[in-house]
Amino acid sequence: AQRVTQPEKLLSVFKGAPVELKCNYSYSGSPELFWYVQYSRQRLQLLLRHISRESIKGFTADLNKGETSFHLKKPFAQEEDSAMYYCALSGGTSYGKLTFGQGTILTVHP
Amino acid sequence: DTGVSQDPRHKITKRGQNVTFRCDPISEHNRLYWYRQTLGQGPEFLTYFQNEAQLEKSRLLSDRFSAERPKGSFSTLEIQRTEQGDSAMYLCASSPWSGRVIDEQYFGPGTRLTVT
Repeated sequence: AQRVTQPEKLLSVFKGAPVELKCNYSYSGSPELFWYVQYSRQRLQLLLRHISRESIKGFTADLNKGETSFHLKKPFAQEEDSAMYYCALSGGTSYGKLTFGQGTILTVHP
Repeated sequence: DTGVSQDPRHKITKRGQNVTFRCDPISEHNRLYWYRQTLGQGPEFLTYFQNEAQLEKSRLLSDRFSAERPKGSFSTLEIQRTEQGDSAMYLCASSPWSGRVIDEQYFGPGTRLTVT
C-alpha cells in the first residue's frame, strides 16, 4: 500500500529563516514524489517533482530512499511562501494516481 | 484555455438526493482524475480516465458513486442517495499522458458539496 505522512500540520517561521517541511512515505517500489502547493484562494498546483531535480521558488527536495523521505527545504523563507503544502506519491500499477499526505500549513511571519 | 473548470463550485443538497458534478479538463489532456478532500485531509483518489476509458476506481467509490467521460472530453461524477458523510470538496485534475513518465496534474477549483 502507498502512504504519505506529513508529521506537521502547522509550521511557523519568521521571514528569512530556513524552513523544512517533512514528508515520509511508505512504498515498496520506486516511487515518483511530488510537492504540491495551494496558496490562499488558489487551486492546487505542482511545486516540484523529484525527477526534475529543480529548485522552484528557492525550494528544493531530495529523495532519500534509505530514510523514505522527501523533505522540502528553503534556506530563506519569504512571506509569499505562506500556503498549504502537500507531499504526494505515485508509482507501481497505479501510475499517475497520486496519494497525498495530510498537508502542512506554512506561515511565514514578517 | 483557462485551465480545468468545474461546475458547480458549490452545491448544498438534502440527504437522499442525487447530485452531479461536471469537470472540463484542459483540451489536449487525455487523462482525467477525480479526488475527494475532507476538512484537514489531503485529497484522496477516487477514479481516473484515460480518454473515455475508466482505468481505476478507489474502494472509496461506493456503488452510489458513478463517473463517466463520454467521448473522452468532459467528465461527470454522480452521487446517488447522498449521505452527510459525502460532504467534501470534489477535485478534478487533468494531465497529458506521454506513456513514459508521470505528467503534471492540473487541478480545477473544486466543487464543495454540503449534505444537510
